[in-house]
Amino acid sequence: AQSVTQLDSHVSVSEGTPVLLRCNYSSSYSPSLFWYVQHPNKGLQLLLKYTSAATLVKGINGFEAEFKKSETSFHLTKPSAHMSDAAEYFCVVSSPGGYQKVTFGTGTKLQVIP
Amino acid sequence: GAVVSQHPSRVICKSGTSVKIECRSLDFQATTMFWYRQFPKQSLMLMATSNEGSKATYEQGVEKDKFLINHASLTLSTLTVTSAHPEDSSFYICSALTGEKLFFGSGTQLSVL
Repeated sequence: AQSVTQLDSHVSVSEGTPVLLRCNYSSSYSPSLFWYVQHPNKGLQLLLKYTSAATLVKGINGFEAEFKKSETSFHLTKPSAHMSDAAEYFCVVSSPGGYQKVTFGTGTKLQVIP
Repeated sequence: GAVVSQHPSRVICKSGTSVKIECRSLDFQATTMFWYRQFPKQSLMLMATSNEGSKATYEQGVEKDKFLINHASLTLSTLTVTSAHPEDSSFYICSALTGEKLFFGSGTQLSVL
Protein backbone atom coordinates (compact mmCIF):
# COMPACT_ATOMS: atom_id res chain seq x y z
CA ALA A 1 0.00 0.00 0.00
CA GLN A 2 1.12 3.51 -0.71
CA SER A 3 -0.23 6.83 0.49
CA VAL A 4 0.65 10.47 0.85
CA THR A 5 -0.70 12.86 3.45
CA GLN A 6 -0.30 16.59 3.20
CA LEU A 7 -1.19 17.71 6.66
CA ASP A 8 -2.31 21.23 5.84
CA SER A 9 -4.73 22.16 3.09
CA HIS A 10 -3.90 25.86 3.52
CA VAL A 11 -0.80 27.61 4.83
CA SER A 12 -0.52 31.36 5.20
CA VAL A 13 2.80 33.14 5.79
CA SER A 14 4.02 36.70 5.67
CA GLU A 15 6.42 37.69 2.94
CA GLY A 16 10.00 37.19 4.11
CA THR A 17 9.15 34.57 6.73
CA PRO A 18 9.94 30.84 6.49
CA VAL A 19 7.71 28.37 4.70
CA LEU A 20 7.01 24.83 5.91
CA LEU A 21 4.73 22.52 3.95
CA ARG A 22 4.34 19.13 5.52
CA CYS A 23 4.17 15.77 3.80
CA ASN A 24 4.09 12.27 5.23
CA TYR A 25 4.09 9.13 3.16
CA SER A 26 3.83 5.39 3.40
CA SER A 27 5.23 2.94 0.91
CA SER A 28 6.13 -0.71 0.78
CA TYR A 29 9.09 0.03 -1.45
CA SER A 30 11.97 2.47 -1.51
CA PRO A 31 10.05 5.38 -2.94
CA SER A 32 10.95 8.36 -5.00
CA LEU A 33 9.45 11.53 -3.60
CA PHE A 34 8.63 14.74 -5.39
CA TRP A 35 7.28 18.18 -4.72
CA TYR A 36 5.45 19.97 -7.50
CA VAL A 37 4.01 23.45 -7.64
CA GLN A 38 0.92 24.47 -9.52
CA HIS A 39 0.23 28.09 -10.30
CA PRO A 40 -3.34 29.08 -11.17
CA ASN A 41 -4.58 27.62 -14.43
CA LYS A 42 -1.22 26.01 -15.09
CA GLY A 43 0.05 22.45 -15.01
CA LEU A 44 2.57 21.08 -12.57
CA GLN A 45 6.13 22.27 -12.26
CA LEU A 46 8.75 20.12 -10.55
CA LEU A 47 10.34 21.77 -7.54
CA LEU A 48 12.57 18.96 -6.40
CA LYS A 49 12.85 15.19 -6.12
CA TYR A 50 14.37 12.58 -3.88
CA THR A 51 15.50 9.32 -5.43
CA SER A 52 17.62 7.63 -2.73
CA ALA A 53 20.65 9.88 -3.00
CA ALA A 54 21.25 12.70 -0.51
CA THR A 55 18.46 13.03 2.03
CA LEU A 56 18.51 16.83 1.87
CA VAL A 57 17.32 17.84 -1.56
CA LYS A 58 17.63 21.32 -2.96
CA GLY A 59 15.21 22.47 -5.58
CA ILE A 60 14.38 25.50 -7.61
CA ASN A 61 13.44 28.93 -6.28
CA GLY A 62 15.17 28.35 -2.94
CA PHE A 63 13.04 25.41 -1.87
CA GLU A 64 14.46 22.33 -0.22
CA ALA A 65 13.12 19.18 1.39
CA GLU A 66 14.55 16.61 3.74
CA PHE A 67 13.78 12.92 3.44
CA LYS A 68 13.43 11.42 6.92
CA LYS A 69 12.86 7.71 6.71
CA SER A 70 12.37 7.26 10.43
CA GLU A 71 9.56 9.81 10.38
CA THR A 72 8.31 8.89 6.88
CA SER A 73 8.31 12.58 6.11
CA PHE A 74 9.39 14.78 3.24
CA HIS A 75 8.58 18.31 4.33
CA LEU A 76 9.17 21.24 1.99
CA THR A 77 10.84 24.37 3.32
CA LYS A 78 12.01 27.76 2.20
CA PRO A 79 13.82 30.28 4.41
CA SER A 80 12.03 33.36 3.11
CA ALA A 81 8.73 33.46 1.28
CA HIS A 82 8.19 35.62 -1.78
CA MET A 83 4.87 36.78 -3.15
CA SER A 84 5.52 34.68 -6.26
CA ASP A 85 5.53 31.54 -4.11
CA ALA A 86 1.76 31.77 -3.65
CA ALA A 87 0.48 28.63 -5.35
CA GLU A 88 -0.66 25.08 -4.69
CA TYR A 89 1.96 22.50 -3.77
CA PHE A 90 1.69 18.76 -4.24
CA CYS A 91 3.72 16.06 -2.57
CA VAL A 92 4.00 12.92 -4.69
CA VAL A 93 5.33 9.45 -3.98
CA SER A 94 6.35 7.10 -6.74
CA SER A 95 7.22 3.45 -6.31
CA PRO A 96 9.14 1.80 -9.11
CA GLY A 97 9.03 -1.79 -10.10
CA GLY A 98 7.05 -3.91 -12.42
CA TYR A 99 3.93 -2.01 -11.57
CA GLN A 100 4.86 1.59 -11.05
CA LYS A 101 2.48 3.56 -8.92
CA VAL A 102 2.27 7.30 -8.41
CA THR A 103 0.24 8.76 -5.58
CA PHE A 104 -0.52 12.42 -5.12
CA GLY A 105 -1.17 14.30 -1.93
CA THR A 106 -4.27 16.43 -1.81
CA GLY A 107 -2.29 19.64 -2.12
CA THR A 108 -1.45 22.57 0.13
CA LYS A 109 -2.39 26.06 -0.89
CA LEU A 110 0.25 28.56 0.13
CA GLN A 111 -0.84 32.13 0.70
CA VAL A 112 1.83 34.81 1.05
CA ILE A 113 0.75 37.98 2.79
CA PRO A 114 2.54 41.22 1.87
CA GLY B 1 -14.52 15.61 -2.83
CA ALA B 2 -13.84 15.85 -6.51
CA VAL B 3 -12.85 12.63 -8.21
CA VAL B 4 -11.00 11.97 -11.43
CA SER B 5 -11.48 8.48 -12.77
CA GLN B 6 -8.77 7.10 -15.04
CA HIS B 7 -9.08 3.78 -16.87
CA PRO B 8 -7.57 1.36 -17.33
CA SER B 9 -5.20 1.23 -14.39
CA ARG B 10 -2.96 -1.20 -16.17
CA VAL B 11 -2.71 -2.38 -19.74
CA ILE B 12 -0.39 -4.78 -21.49
CA CYS B 13 -0.44 -4.77 -25.26
CA LYS B 14 1.48 -6.00 -28.23
CA SER B 15 3.76 -3.76 -30.20
CA GLY B 16 1.92 -2.05 -33.03
CA THR B 17 -1.47 -1.92 -31.36
CA SER B 18 -3.23 1.21 -30.14
CA VAL B 19 -4.27 1.83 -26.58
CA LYS B 20 -6.87 4.29 -25.33
CA ILE B 21 -6.77 5.75 -21.84
CA GLU B 22 -9.80 7.57 -20.46
CA CYS B 23 -9.87 10.32 -17.92
CA ARG B 24 -13.22 11.41 -16.46
CA SER B 25 -14.09 14.05 -13.94
CA LEU B 26 -16.95 12.43 -12.06
CA ASP B 27 -18.60 15.27 -10.20
CA PHE B 28 -17.26 18.45 -11.74
CA GLN B 29 -16.58 20.00 -15.09
CA ALA B 30 -12.96 20.27 -16.06
CA THR B 31 -12.07 23.30 -18.11
CA THR B 32 -8.64 21.91 -18.79
CA MET B 33 -7.07 18.49 -18.60
CA PHE B 34 -3.38 17.67 -18.54
CA TRP B 35 -1.69 14.46 -19.57
CA TYR B 36 1.62 13.40 -18.05
CA ARG B 37 3.94 10.44 -18.33
CA GLN B 38 6.48 9.25 -15.85
CA PHE B 39 9.36 6.82 -16.17
CA PRO B 40 10.66 5.06 -13.04
CA LYS B 41 12.54 7.36 -10.69
CA GLN B 42 11.94 10.33 -12.95
CA SER B 43 9.55 13.21 -12.54
CA LEU B 44 6.29 13.69 -14.34
CA MET B 45 6.63 15.01 -17.84
CA LEU B 46 3.81 17.10 -19.20
CA MET B 47 2.78 15.73 -22.56
CA ALA B 48 -0.11 17.95 -23.51
CA THR B 49 -2.79 20.30 -22.31
CA SER B 50 -6.31 19.93 -23.60
CA ASN B 51 -9.28 22.24 -23.39
CA GLU B 52 -12.78 21.04 -24.14
CA GLY B 53 -13.72 21.48 -27.77
CA SER B 54 -10.34 22.56 -29.00
CA LYS B 55 -7.14 20.89 -30.14
CA ALA B 56 -4.67 19.85 -27.53
CA THR B 57 -1.47 21.78 -27.04
CA TYR B 58 1.49 19.43 -27.08
CA GLU B 59 4.78 19.97 -25.34
CA GLN B 60 7.93 20.10 -27.36
CA GLY B 61 9.14 16.65 -28.33
CA VAL B 62 5.76 14.96 -27.93
CA GLU B 63 4.44 13.54 -31.19
CA LYS B 64 0.84 14.61 -31.62
CA ASP B 65 0.17 11.92 -34.22
CA LYS B 66 1.45 9.29 -31.82
CA PHE B 67 -0.37 10.50 -28.75
CA LEU B 68 -3.86 11.47 -29.81
CA ILE B 69 -5.80 13.51 -27.30
CA ASN B 70 -9.51 14.07 -27.55
CA HIS B 71 -11.28 16.31 -25.07
CA ALA B 72 -14.82 15.66 -26.23
CA SER B 73 -16.66 17.10 -23.25
CA LEU B 74 -16.09 18.95 -20.01
CA THR B 75 -15.90 15.64 -18.18
CA LEU B 76 -13.96 13.38 -20.53
CA SER B 77 -10.54 13.41 -22.12
CA THR B 78 -8.89 10.45 -23.83
CA LEU B 79 -5.30 9.72 -24.70
CA THR B 80 -4.71 7.19 -27.45
CA VAL B 81 -1.23 5.79 -27.88
CA THR B 82 -1.17 4.78 -31.53
CA SER B 83 1.03 1.98 -32.86
CA ALA B 84 2.55 1.46 -29.45
CA HIS B 85 6.16 0.39 -29.12
CA PRO B 86 8.11 -0.87 -26.11
CA GLU B 87 9.62 2.58 -25.57
CA ASP B 88 6.09 3.88 -24.96
CA SER B 89 5.90 1.72 -21.86
CA SER B 90 5.41 4.17 -19.05
CA PHE B 91 3.06 5.44 -16.40
CA TYR B 92 0.49 7.86 -17.76
CA ILE B 93 -1.56 10.12 -15.53
CA CYS B 94 -4.18 12.73 -16.20
CA SER B 95 -5.21 15.69 -14.16
CA ALA B 96 -8.28 17.87 -14.40
CA LEU B 97 -8.48 21.54 -13.61
CA THR B 98 -11.61 23.14 -12.22
CA GLY B 99 -11.30 26.72 -11.16
CA GLU B 100 -7.88 26.85 -9.61
CA LYS B 101 -7.93 23.37 -8.17
CA LEU B 102 -6.19 20.44 -9.80
CA PHE B 103 -7.28 16.85 -9.31
CA PHE B 104 -5.46 13.74 -10.43
CA GLY B 105 -6.43 10.43 -11.91
CA SER B 106 -4.97 7.26 -10.44
CA GLY B 107 -2.77 6.62 -13.45
CA THR B 108 -2.31 3.95 -16.10
CA GLN B 109 0.68 1.66 -16.31
CA LEU B 110 1.24 0.82 -19.97
CA SER B 111 3.46 -2.11 -20.85
CA VAL B 112 4.13 -2.73 -24.53
CA LEU B 113 5.55 -6.14 -25.38
